Amino acid sequence: ETGVTQTPRHLVMGMTNKKSLKCEQHLGHNAMYWYKQSAKKPLELMFVYSLEERVENNSVPSRFSPECPNSSHLFLHLHTLQPEDSALYLCASSPGLEETQYFGPGTRLLVL
Amino acid sequence: AQSVAQPEDQVNVAEGNPLTVKCTYSVSGNPYLFWYVQYPNRGLQFLLKYITGDNLVKGSYGFEAEFNKSQTSFHLKKPSALVSDSALYFCAVRDISTGFQKLVFGTGTRLLVSP
Repeated sequence: ETGVTQTPRHLVMGMTNKKSLKCEQHLGHNAMYWYKQSAKKPLELMFVYSLEERVENNSVPSRFSPECPNSSHLFLHLHTLQPEDSALYLCASSPGLEETQYFGPGTRLLVL
Repeated sequence: AQSVAQPEDQVNVAEGNPLTVKCTYSVSGNPYLFWYVQYPNRGLQFLLKYITGDNLVKGSYGFEAEFNKSQTSFHLKKPSALVSDSALYFCAVRDISTGFQKLVFGTGTRLLVSP
């Protein structure tokens, strides 16, 4: 799992807080992804970046704001979240958009 | 749109016995199918994939999956289960219905291997 790292691993925040999730990949991949994993629901793709350009935005609320400053780093900025946003947020990367994705360990987010 | 279904929420098997985790798919065109495993408090780990070629695909940790076009299935199998195989297993298909080929995941099947 050292190929894709995520920090923090756990986060508790209030609805008025601003926080950021960080993802870093050490695999030399060109594509990075954010997923949301909620209990008893399929993984939901949130954002996709390829060579630092956003490729996909799956109708995600604006309180989630991604940032990809370079091909190794991906951030998810959080602002005025709702309790229903509590979930495991997973980052993944792949060599290219159509290739196998490799996941990080996730950030467990709790919104109070 | 492409989709996968995992009909079992949980599968229970005794250690040493063979295991099967089921997945069926619905796609237009050729399916690109994947299996991932998630251990507690961990991210998803890639197990294996089917793109083309042999219907029996071998993957990590002794797992294999059989692609069956007539039954539109891609079941995950292992000849002899280990307690350490206990985890959450996800089947996924590459959705080519839009310009971007994203992965669509099933709801997951929890595998519990008892000693």
